[in-house]
Amino acid sequence: DAGVTQSPTHLIKTRGQQVTLRCSPISGHKSVSWYQQVLGQGPQFIFQYYEKEERGRGNFPDRFSARQFPNYSSELNVNALLLGDSALYLCASSLGPGQGYGYTFGSGTRLTVV
Amino acid sequence: SQQGEEDPQALSIQEGENATMNCSYKTSINNLQWYRQNSGRGLVHLILIRSNEREKHSGRLRVTLDTSKKSSSLLITASRAADTASYFCATDAAAAGNKLTFGGGTRVLVKP
Repeated sequence: DAGVTQSPTHLIKTRGQQVTLRCSPISGHKSVSWYQQVLGQGPQFIFQYYEKEERGRGNFPDRFSARQFPNYSSELNVNALLLGDSALYLCASSLGPGQGYGYTFGSGTRLTVV
Repeated sequence: SQQGEEDPQALSIQEGENATMNCSYKTSINNLQWYRQNSGRGLVHLILIRSNEREKHSGRLRVTLDTSKKSSSLLITASRAADTASYFCATDAAAAGNKLTFGGGTRVLVKP
């Protein structure tokens, strides 16, 4: 059974550009969460989706947006990229939010903004 | 801001020794989870302890939770070089919208 898959694994973008990151959860998992991890720090929560609805949003600017599709896969979009957006973006899937289940993380997308 | 704070920030031990790291948090929680991360890759779920549990074991891992002190500890016994990684605690709290809130992590180096 495949784990959480994220694509691409690495990418380099220029300031001001836009980027779309993709995530496919574990089969049967209906909740997807996105986290940003800056080098040397712990992951910071960006979004949580469950059954295609936004269930939570972290303290990130409106340049960050996300959506979940009928097959429970998800996309994270970041517009007008800044140097400070350079980070590892992690996707996590779970059976559902707030149900005491552990989260399964993907290997992440390493975004470098130059 | 981060809910959980790990202590120490870094830890260096010899293979075979035990490694202990602590996590403190601020609000009431549903559960607390520990994750491992190797070299900036994805996080691996290690263990989940619910707020009504005090201790949990998984292989060489032992986790304790003290809700009165709002703290948890992770003990890795008989450490191996392969245990070299960053370890993060994460809290799942209703007050935080049931999302995971991570601490800054403990970087563990196990020397052969």
